[in-house]
Amino acid sequence: AQSVAQPEDQVNVAEGNPLTVKCTYSVSGNPYLFWYVQYPNRGLQFLLKYITGDNLVKGSYGFEAEFNKSQTSFHLKKPSALVSDSALYFCAVRAPRAGNNRKLIWGLGTSLAVNP
Amino acid sequence: EAEVAQSPRYKITEKSQAVAFWCDPISGHATLYWYRQILGQGPELLVQFQDESVVDDSQLPKDRFSAERLKGVDSTLKIQPAELGDSAMYLCASSLPIGVRGQETQYFGPGTRLLVL
Repeated sequence: AQSVAQPEDQVNVAEGNPLTVKCTYSVSGNPYLFWYVQYPNRGLQFLLKYITGDNLVKGSYGFEAEFNKSQTSFHLKKPSALVSDSALYFCAVRAPRAGNNRKLIWGLGTSLAVNP
Repeated sequence: EAEVAQSPRYKITEKSQAVAFWCDPISGHATLYWYRQILGQGPELLVQFQDESVVDDSQLPKDRFSAERLKGVDSTLKIQPAELGDSAMYLCASSLPIGVRGQETQYFGPGTRLLVL
């Protein structure tokens, strides 16, 4: 069965420090992987995705993520955190050969708090 | 930049009443999704449309929920009757047609926050 795990409910980091939000997955075949961010009472905003190619993916707002097939991980990173990065972050995965069904499997989310 | 539109943004209703949510996807996006997100959890797919056809509604509580996309553009999600447990954020998303570059990415609207009293 397909699944996504975000092992940390909350991550705290000081402004200016690097941040990492962890995600591991279980899916057959080569997965499509996504990161989204959600601010309070807002919808989800797409940050970045891995489909194929270079394992290091760069996305919006200075975020990047590294696909590691052997560890089945797709951790989100940013070299220098901003207070405005404080939000809820979701990892999602989809099996590549799903036909018309594009169902994403979502993690439970990680709350990121960046302290001034 | 084109966005997914949803209305209303907030809805308060009493249990046993009917509620309806509207979504207008990004122009040209053939696939439309309705999700429910309970506070503190990830989104749960309720229904996926490809144009006007339902692709997946396996998680839609069909005794009280219905969804339609009659002309393959905008969509309505209805709950009748609403129950206390339906209080959640209802999110709409859309994506490009299959075979188009970038079709795997879903873009979300701002959501409708429903409170059932």
